[in-house]
Amino acid sequence: SQQGEEDPQALSIQEGENATMNCSYKTSINNLQWYRQNSGRGLVHLILIRSNEREKHSGRLRVTLDTSKKSSSLLITASRAADTASYFCAQSEYGNKLVFGAGTILRVKS
Amino acid sequence: EPEVTQTPSHQVTQMGQEVILRCVPISNHLYFYWYRQILGQKVEFLVSFYNNEISEKSEIFDDQFSVERPDGSNFTLKIRSTKLEDSAMYFCASYPSGTGSYEQYFGPGTRLTVT
Repeated sequence: SQQGEEDPQALSIQEGENATMNCSYKTSINNLQWYRQNSGRGLVHLILIRSNEREKHSGRLRVTLDTSKKSSSLLITASRAADTASYFCAQSEYGNKLVFGAGTILRVKS
Repeated sequence: EPEVTQTPSHQVTQMGQEVILRCVPISNHLYFYWYRQILGQKVEFLVSFYNNEISEKSEIFDDQFSVERPDGSNFTLKIRSTKLEDSAMYFCASYPSGTGSYEQYFGPGTRLTVT
């Protein structure tokens, strides 16, 4: 079964606007993480939210977690052209392996 | 800042050939992982490695795959007889353990092309 599904699949916004990406998952989690991938490059960790947390901030990033709905959202405020990338949520299960979603392709137009 | 490195960045091989993908995890990390990403698809877990043995593997990680930590620094993924469908980006990751942070540190990836 698919886990960690993001929506939208693709998002195109103007520089300065906010970008919101959502993620749903199916099983219990230890924590949920968000990663960024620039085209053809490796994955960069952005932020982690634990299962007992509801919201977390890091710079222009805000992550929420709703364990009752098994969903999370990533908000990037005041987007920049350099934020153009793919964003993945990944649920961390016991044993530490990451189960990634399909990702959201974000394009920020300048 | 320490980082995970991977070599080669791009490997082209013929179907049926053996390939070895190499990774140097961050030196004080204890958990090691391989993931792969077929073009346009999600990143998939292959295997995790801890204390010199496989701790978990996915259904993808069949008998044609093996991992090894031959010395104190390298972590390798071997594919014995490559198939066309093995073409993908392969990412190595490591994790320190005991820090309270579950962040995994990813290498830049090796693009494997099987022809």
